[in-house]
Amino acid sequence: NAGVTQTPKFRVLKTGQSMTLLCAQDMNHEYMYWYRQDPGMGLRLIHYSVGEGTTAKGEVPDGYNVSRLKKQNFLLGLESAAPSQTSVYFCASSPTSGGVETQYFGPGTRLLVL
Amino acid sequence: GQNIDQPTEMTATEGAIVQINCTYQTSGFNGLFWYQQHAGEAPTFLSYNVLDGLEEKGRFSSFLSRSKGYSYLLLKELQMKDSASYLCAYMDSNYQLIWGAGTKLIIKP
Repeated sequence: NAGVTQTPKFRVLKTGQSMTLLCAQDMNHEYMYWYRQDPGMGLRLIHYSVGEGTTAKGEVPDGYNVSRLKKQNFLLGLESAAPSQTSVYFCASSPTSGGVETQYFGPGTRLLVL
Repeated sequence: GQNIDQPTEMTATEGAIVQINCTYQTSGFNGLFWYQQHAGEAPTFLSYNVLDGLEEKGRFSSFLSRSKGYSYLLLKELQMKDSASYLCAYMDSNYQLIWGAGTKLIIKP
């Protein structure tokens, strides 16, 4: 049982390049989340998904897109990377969020945009 | 921004007790979480409080006062491995987590 996994672990991009971050979970969780974590700030929600085929915007969605084609995978895309998107990105999942549920986090992806 | 605050950094001695405070302001509240995050790693769940009072779990305890918008995490018998950041987060009326910036706890021998 791997829990939540993320690929890649680290990436360097040039401004304007695109990339996709992959999150996978093997816990059969319905809800999945993408956060970014920056120094001196709390985790901020980018997008989330309440189930296969559905996505919704979080607090800071601009510049990102997501897809949830399979229940176990949640992809985060950057179409044209900017230096302001340099951050550590965490994926999380929870059984549901129709009530109170603990979120389980992946190990993170460190992204540097030059 | 989101109305949740915790100290940036705290230092304590191995074997001692430390209390990390968290204050929040929100109109919709569905509980308060504490997570631990070691440097370069993922946050991991520590505790959840939704009712006022103290929840004890081994060396770690968490307290909540809803009327005061206040919580604390109490760590006893500190060990070097407790050096980490401690994140508090409240769950809002939409069941979304609103996170504090984290408190970096440094343990000295």
